[in-house]
Amino acid sequence: EAQVTQNPRYLITVTGKKLTVTCSQNMNHEYMSWYRQDPGLGLRQIYYSMNVEVTDKGDVPEGYKVSRKEKRNFPLILESPSPNQTSLYFCASQKNKLHYYEQYFGPGTRLTVT
Amino acid sequence: QKEVEQNSGPLSVPEGAIASLNCTYSDRGSQSFFWYRQYSGKSPELIMFIYSNGDKEDGRFTAQLNKASQYVSLLIRDSQPSDSATYLCAADLNDYKLSFGAGTTVTVRA
Repeated sequence: EAQVTQNPRYLITVTGKKLTVTCSQNMNHEYMSWYRQDPGLGLRQIYYSMNVEVTDKGDVPEGYKVSRKEKRNFPLILESPSPNQTSLYFCASQKNKLHYYEQYFGPGTRLTVT
Repeated sequence: QKEVEQNSGPLSVPEGAIASLNCTYSDRGSQSFFWYRQYSGKSPELIMFIYSNGDKEDGRFTAQLNKASQYVSLLIRDSQPSDSATYLCAADLNDYKLSFGAGTTVTVRA
């Protein structure tokens, strides 16, 4: 079954404690991205990756890091989380940079930073 | 100005009626437009995409695009309670990124 998985699904943490949200896809997709979703603001792209070792900033990259060492995995790293990073996070993947009509989203990670 | 704006809603329609959702975009270079449906607590699901001016129909859904007016709409015909969700409009920015609107919440009354 084609899928994008994220872990953890829910996380409550404290300010400054480094955390990683994992994202994995089993479709051999080249393009992966991370979004955050906040009420009234819709989905905003944090980072994207067009292939292994190729990453670039989206609209709201501040306070986040990513890596793409393997095609299937695209972890999101918060080195020093702050309360304004409390949000719902989605990982997404698609075949390549043009195939938005085949974009698959993960189930989401709800992060609370206190 | 946000790159993609949607009518804020919420939109409440009776079962069987047409739900009409509107979206405008600011980047004239945008080529592709997408409508996602998102049920509460779930991830977005692509339901329609459109590239060309005019209408595109898929079952009870019709997407309409007017590039001259920078306007995209989604019509849901014969609305069902299962259509109750938030609908997100998105436009590509020609640099391989999607810009999303804030979403319109639709409630279909039985």
